[in-house]
Amino acid sequence: DAGVIQSPRHEVTEMGQEVTLRCKPISGHDYLFWYRQTMMRGLELLIYFNNNVPIDDSGMPEDRFSAKMPNASFSTLKIQPSEPRDSAVYFCASQHRGTDYGYTFGSGTRLTVV
Amino acid sequence: EDQVTQSPEALRLQEGESSSLNCSYTVSGLRGLFWYRQDPGKGPEFLFTLYSAGEEKEKERLKATLTKKESFLHITAPKPEDSATYLCAVLLRGNDMRFGAGTRLTVKP
Repeated sequence: DAGVIQSPRHEVTEMGQEVTLRCKPISGHDYLFWYRQTMMRGLELLIYFNNNVPIDDSGMPEDRFSAKMPNASFSTLKIQPSEPRDSAVYFCASQHRGTDYGYTFGSGTRLTVV
Repeated sequence: EDQVTQSPEALRLQEGESSSLNCSYTVSGLRGLFWYRQDPGKGPEFLFTLYSAGEEKEKERLKATLTKKESFLHITAPKPEDSATYLCAVLLRGNDMRFGAGTRLTVKP
């Protein structure tokens, strides 16, 4: 298995633009998580899905952020409009319950909003 | 409030110099404590899960232990390739995993 695949690896965009981050989880994993990592706040959970259904989105910072999981092999995190304070590394992770709960993370998308 | 605190923030060791990283937590309803390793430019990589006080797990030069208030990651005779940021996380209600800020370990040859 290729692991959790995220795209793009790097994204530079101007303030006010729409940004879409993509994730392909590991096949057979039934949980998918979106995290954001910054120097100031560390790793923060934004939202997670179980069997494609959003379970907890309390970490989504505001209405500018939205996430979807249309099927078991694809998820998106969208920011519209983007702001400089959204600059961070965004990680997607997936998990199969029954494997000691350890998450498998992707390599992340480094987002810079100028 | 649920909190996870890691210390030290940074640790520099000579190759072969054993040491320990600390993760202290104050949470209600701990369902598991996790250790991850993160290399620059990559996502965290899962190392261990501990569920109850007194539990220990080992992997190569790493050993993780758990008490009711903290966990230690012991590194025995580290090598330069062990240099990374080590993250501790606690699993709370639902599937909410709360991460600490990490310890940045540098092992000099």
